[in-house]
Amino acid sequence: SQQGEEDPQALSIQEGENATMNCSYKTSINNLQWYRQNSGRGLVHLILIRSNEREKHSGRLRVTLDTSKKSSSLLITASRAADTASYFCATVNHGSGNTGKLIFGQGTTLQVKP
Amino acid sequence: KAGVTQTPRYLIKTRGQQVTLSCSPISGHRSVSWYQQTPGQGLQFLFEYFSETQRNKGNFPGRFSGRQFSNSRSEMNVSTLELGDSALYLCASSLVESSPLHFGNGTRLTVT
Repeated sequence: SQQGEEDPQALSIQEGENATMNCSYKTSINNLQWYRQNSGRGLVHLILIRSNEREKHSGRLRVTLDTSKKSSSLLITASRAADTASYFCATVNHGSGNTGKLIFGQGTTLQVKP
Repeated sequence: KAGVTQTPRYLIKTRGQQVTLSCSPISGHRSVSWYQQTPGQGLQFLFEYFSETQRNKGNFPGRFSGRQFSNSRSEMNVSTLELGDSALYLCASSLVESSPLHFGNGTRLTVT
């Protein structure tokens, strides 16, 4: 079963605008990761945030984690048409000891219009 | 360094048949995981292998099986195919625990 719930399911913005996607999860986690998937392709890892971290940056990406609310957000600043893709959050559950087992959300489909 | 390679890229099978999918991880990666992606269920974990041992298994019927070889290459097998097995099957590898997964481009399986 899916643990992560993502919001919104779909997002359409103009190039240059910021895009924010939210993810909620249900159980204690070791870390939370965000991935991007272009249509029909594999997933590409974007950023990993550990349970003891609150915010992390990577280029135009900013991820926050609130373990008390069991939620995370991904912000893409100054979006580009090339950012058009589906974005997934994924968690590694605390104590699972199996880091290859990611629990994925349903994803947010982002469309960036040129 | 070459990425994760999955073969074949596309497969069309008939109900009742069986299929074997192959995955070559990034060189040096010892952990290989498999995921099924469908529009209805999203991304679901199938199993994970590390050093030829199945370390974790998802909630899939016994028709789904896998193995890992000494060179870390992995295969998954689905027997007695059902229409609902139509999906994108993704393989991912990782270097060490707590490191991100590197995904292949998947095998698109269509069962008719």
